[in-house]
Amino acid sequence: EAQVTQNPRYLITVTGKKLTVTCSQNMNHEYMSWYRQDPGLGLRQIYYSMNVEVTDKGDVPEGYKVSRKEKRNFPLILESPSPNQTSLYFCASSFKGRGVSSYEQYFGPGTRLTVT
Amino acid sequence: SQKIEQNSEALNIQEGKTATLTCNYTNYSPAYLQWYRQDPGRGPVFLLLIRENEKEKRKERLKVTFDTTLKQSLFHITASQPADSATYLCALALPDMRFGAGTRLTVKP
Repeated sequence: EAQVTQNPRYLITVTGKKLTVTCSQNMNHEYMSWYRQDPGLGLRQIYYSMNVEVTDKGDVPEGYKVSRKEKRNFPLILESPSPNQTSLYFCASSFKGRGVSSYEQYFGPGTRLTVT
Repeated sequence: SQKIEQNSEALNIQEGKTATLTCNYTNYSPAYLQWYRQDPGRGPVFLLLIRENEKEKRKERLKVTFDTTLKQSLFHITASQPADSATYLCALALPDMRFGAGTRLTVKP
């Protein structure tokens, strides 16, 4: 089954404790992306990757890191989480469009992160 | 500044009517625009994509228009059903992806 998986689905952590949210897709997509979703603000892109070893900042990259060492995986790293990073996070993937970011994106189920 | 605006935060309509949702943007020149559906607590699901050189796209009861002069896209659901109740998001494909905040549609029986 074609899918994007994220782990963990729910996470409660404390300020400053490094964490990683994993994302994996099985559709051989070049493009992968991370978003956060907050009430009233909608989906905002954190980082995206056009291919292996190629990553770019989205709209709200501060406080996050990513890496793309393999085509299927795109982990999101919070080196020192803070309460303002409490949010619902989505990973997405797609085939790469010509000259633009992506065609239709497939989203993961989301990770609800709470930082206390 | 660059903005994407969806006409209203919430839209309530009666079953069987046509729902029309609006997406306006400023200071962008997207190659194409997408519409997604999102149910509570779940990831968005792709519905339709329309390119800058297309005026209209249809898929079953869904229709999308794209006016690059007005910088506006309209999303229509005809013969709406309670199962269409969800939040609908428009998204612009630029070097990165920009989403509107969404319109929460409620279709009442």
